[in-house]
Amino acid sequence: DAGVTQSPTHLIKTRGQHVTLRCSPISGHKSVSWYQQVLGQGPQFIFQYYEKEERGRGNFPDRFSARQFPNYSSELNVNALLLGDSALYLCASSLALGLAVYNEQFFGPGTRLTVL
Amino acid sequence: AQRVTQPEKLLSVFKGAPVELKCNYSYSGSPELFWYVQYSRQRLQLLLRHISRESIKGFTADLNKGETSFHLKKPFAQEEDSAMYYCALSGHQAGTALIFGKGTTLSVSS
Repeated sequence: DAGVTQSPTHLIKTRGQHVTLRCSPISGHKSVSWYQQVLGQGPQFIFQYYEKEERGRGNFPDRFSARQFPNYSSELNVNALLLGDSALYLCASSLALGLAVYNEQFFGPGTRLTVL
Repeated sequence: AQRVTQPEKLLSVFKGAPVELKCNYSYSGSPELFWYVQYSRQRLQLLLRHISRESIKGFTADLNKGETSFHLKKPFAQEEDSAMYYCALSGHQAGTALIFGKGTTLSVSS
């Protein structure tokens, strides 16, 4: 298993455009979470999905949306891009929800989004 | 408010010296605490978590609920420990979402 995969690796957009980022979880994992990491900061939680339902949402505007598909892959969509949306977007997958020892979150390599 | 504070942006030590990366948290309830590490050109990965009570790569961390701290320690630093370290918490109030600190860069030189 290649672990969590994300596409694309890098992306350059201009202000006002729309972007879709994709994530494939580890086989067997049913939960996917999205994080935004601005340069010099730690990752900040955006969304968590489990069994295709939203189970958590961070403090982000409605321009950010996501969904999870029947195969547990996920998309993060950002509308009306702003310069401040430039960041590394991380996807993490886990077996399920909860804080059990076995339920570790595994991170993907991220998608670097640059908004000009 | 739920918050993780890592007061040091950079910690530089010599090989063989003890290391302590500080982490303080704010959370009303009983959170689960984690340390994540990111080596150069690698993805973010879990180093250890409080509930496991394991020692990974010689690192340990003790949860001090009175001081709301979860400092990461290693008695003898190695050059391969050089990396970015993030403290994070999760809890029932936050779902299982992770709340991260800003990170501390550990630089170990010979």
